[in-house]
Order: sequence, then structure tokens, then C-alpha cells
Amino acid sequence: SQTIHQWPATLVQPVGSPLSLECTVEGTSNPNLYWYRQAAGRGLQLLFYSVGIGQISSEVPQNLSASRPQDRQFILSSKKLLLSDSGFYLCAWSVTLGDYEQYFGPGTRLTVT
Amino acid sequence: SQQGEEDPQALSIQEGENATMNCSYKTSINNLQWYRQNSGRGLVHLILIRSNEREKHSGRLRVTLDTSKKSSSLLITASRAADTASYFCATDEYSTLTFGKGTMLLVSP
Repeated sequence: SQTIHQWPATLVQPVGSPLSLECTVEGTSNPNLYWYRQAAGRGLQLLFYSVGIGQISSEVPQNLSASRPQDRQFILSSKKLLLSDSGFYLCAWSVTLGDYEQYFGPGTRLTVT
Repeated sequence: SQQGEEDPQALSIQEGENATMNCSYKTSINNLQWYRQNSGRGLVHLILIRSNEREKHSGRLRVTLDTSKKSSSLLITASRAADTASYFCATDEYSTLTFGKGTMLLVSP
């Protein structure tokens, strides 16, 4: 069966510090991968998605970047965090884009102080 | 961009009652999905309904889709305290899913 992992679960970082969040998927090959951010009490904002190794699509301009160094690994990064980067970050995978259900990881709660 | 909008934003009911949440969207879709999120957790897929379907059931869940009104509803029957969560609809816009802001459901024992 497929499993998706995210770490760390929680993170408190000062403004201006770097960020690296990791997501890995087990039990499937060539998944479509997604990074979402969820602000408190809000819906999900799609940040990045990837259809394959090294292929990243950005949905919104921001202080973040994403990389996919391996088929089942998706990394969200920032060189310098802003206060507005605080939120709940969710990684997800799907078999196809759009027309299929997505499976979500447990999320990372990021607080920038 | 198109976004599903859930209504109401919050709903509080007693155990045993039914809960109905609505979702509206703006353009044509191929399918609409409903997800559930427990506080501080990831989302869990509940049900997918395609544009050529009008109603779908899964256990205590009933989803309807009215493409002429661009709306969908999620009905949870005989609610339980464990149903307390946020519920999101998601529509397929181009190549990715677009999520609404969700309905927070509180079921009191």
C-alpha cells in the first residue's frame, strides 16, 4: 500500500533563516506530487506540483522553491523565511493530475518568529 | 482562478442529526471531490463525483452534483462526534485541483 511521509511535523524558525521540508512517498512509482499551504482557518493554496523528476510547476510567486531530486521525493525550500511563510504545509500525491483523488501527508506546522 | 466555495463556513449540530454542506463553483468541471480534515492533520479523500453523475453514496455520505447550478452538496446522515472536522470540496481546474475554504463541522455528543 502507498504511504506518504512528511517531516518535520512541527518547526519554529526565525525570520531570515532557511527552510527545508521533505516529503516522500512509498509504494507507488512516478506519482504526481504537490505542495500546499494552509493558513489558519483557510483553504488550501497550491504552491507547487511536479509530474516527474526535476519537473516543477509553480502556481504562485513567493519566497519558496521546490525540488524533486528523486521519483518519490519532493522538497520545499526557502533561503530566507518571512513571517508570512507561517502556516500548515501539506504534501500530497496522485496518480494523475486533476482528474483523480489526492492522498495527503500529515503536514508540517511552520511558525516563523 | 476557479475555486469551490463551501457554505456554511461553520456548522454545529447534535449527534444523530444530519449535516449538509454545500459547495459552489464557477466554471465547468470534469469532477468534484470532497475531503475531510481533522484538526492539525492532512486531508482525507471522501468521495469523487463526475460531471455526468447526479448523486453518489458512500456509507453515511451522500453527495449530489447539479452542473446547471454549478453546485454540490455533501450530506452526512446520523452524525457522530467523530465526524467533527473540516470538510472541503475540490474541483478540477485545468490540470490541478482547486480547494475551497471549507466548512467546519462540530458534532456535539
